[in-house]
Amino acid sequence: RKEVEQDPGPFNVPEGATVAFNCTYSNSASQSFFWYRQDCRKEPKLLMSVYSSGNEDGRFTAQLNRASQYISLLIRDSKLSDSATYLCVVNKGRDNYGQNFVFGPGTRLSVLP
Amino acid sequence: DAGVTQSPTHLIKTRGQQVTLRCSPKSGHDTVSWYQQALGQGPQFIFQYYEEEERQRGNFPDRFSGHQFPNYSSELNVNALLLGDSALYLCASSLGLAGNEQFFGPGTRLTVL
Repeated sequence: RKEVEQDPGPFNVPEGATVAFNCTYSNSASQSFFWYRQDCRKEPKLLMSVYSSGNEDGRFTAQLNRASQYISLLIRDSKLSDSATYLCVVNKGRDNYGQNFVFGPGTRLSVLP
Repeated sequence: DAGVTQSPTHLIKTRGQQVTLRCSPKSGHDTVSWYQQALGQGPQFIFQYYEEEERQRGNFPDRFSGHQFPNYSSELNVNALLLGDSALYLCASSLGLAGNEQFFGPGTRLTVL
């Protein structure tokens, strides 16, 4: 089993749709969690950190369920510019010992006009 | 505010050769991580440097080695190149060893013939 698994995708949705991405991780000691987006042939860019209480940034909402080892990302009112690959990232390192970021394989999103 | 920079942008090598990739972290960051990203996959963690020491390492052979300089910049060295080493090599910087966000450079695309 992979350490971080994501919906296989691709997701093709019309503009304005709501889309949800799911991610599970295997290391229960993981301490921090993130969503990154990566455009074709570009570097990953931080979308948002994920907290147990859930957090929202405009049209994006991230949730973390530590008991189920599950992370989600919800995009509302999707735009053409949201088309990208979304990467779930889990840090299994421990504070003061260093970070060990484990990336999921990514889920590709295409928002269609 | 200078972001993460990497050089060179592209590199072509032949099997058995050695390569050195370079990275300068984002201003104010002191920690550098290196990743290998094969086509269609998420980045794979190679190692992380802090205070000029390797603090965390992923599942990569000893052919992959690195260094961090007093100005926080870093090098990734790969010896005895294999065809399978062809990938995008990404450098990411962050602050300290806690689970803070990492910011990525544009990457170096290595092709091994």
